[in-house]
Amino acid sequence: EAGVAQSPRYKIIEKRQSVAFWCNPISGHATLYWYQQILGQGPKLLIQFQNNGVVDDSQLPKDRFSAERLKGVDSTLKIQPAKLEDSAVYLCAAAGGRVNEQFFGPGTRLTVL
Amino acid sequence: AQSVTQPDIHITVSEGASLELRCNYSYGATPYLFWYVQSPGQGLQLLLKYFSGDTLVQGIKGFEAEFKRSQSSFNLRKPSVHWSDAAEYFCAVVPGSASKIIFGSGTRLSIRP
Repeated sequence: EAGVAQSPRYKIIEKRQSVAFWCNPISGHATLYWYQQILGQGPKLLIQFQNNGVVDDSQLPKDRFSAERLKGVDSTLKIQPAKLEDSAVYLCAAAGGRVNEQFFGPGTRLTVL
Repeated sequence: AQSVTQPDIHITVSEGASLELRCNYSYGATPYLFWYVQSPGQGLQLLLKYFSGDTLVQGIKGFEAEFKRSQSSFNLRKPSVHWSDAAEYFCAVVPGSASKIIFGSGTRLSIRP
């Protein structure tokens, strides 16, 4: 399998700036997830896509975060404007098999100054 | 409230010693259970999973876990740890086949030479 690619790997911005992350999941995996992992904590689901439709975005701060999945493949997550508390690792995961067995990308580490 | 608990924040064991990382969950029915490992700067890698059947499951890198319904536990074990096992370990639960995955807060494993 090709894995889950994410870019950039690291990003440093100042508060109130905008930032975007990109994810390219394993080919054929219909479900895609974005997680936020704050230092010392487990990943927290931000949004789940099934193909290009949103399944669950209940924990996405919609006043500043947005995400889209173009043509059911790649996905982007945007933060606009960023706050200090958004500093975290943003993980993308893909699942296409049974029962949410998820494959994770390496993550993007965001630092907001 | 539904939850996943990893009671040990940080564990240090000597190289070659045995290891057990604890995980408890609070869900009504038997959920689907996972253990993931995260090395510094990396995404999460699936170690093993339990869906049904034999309650002792074998995973990669010499890890195993045992599901105990009576104790609502899914503890991870390894008979002899290696320095390369130093990482963060996350227990995760999917309460039902259509549910999202819930992660514990993680246990950081350090290896003493």
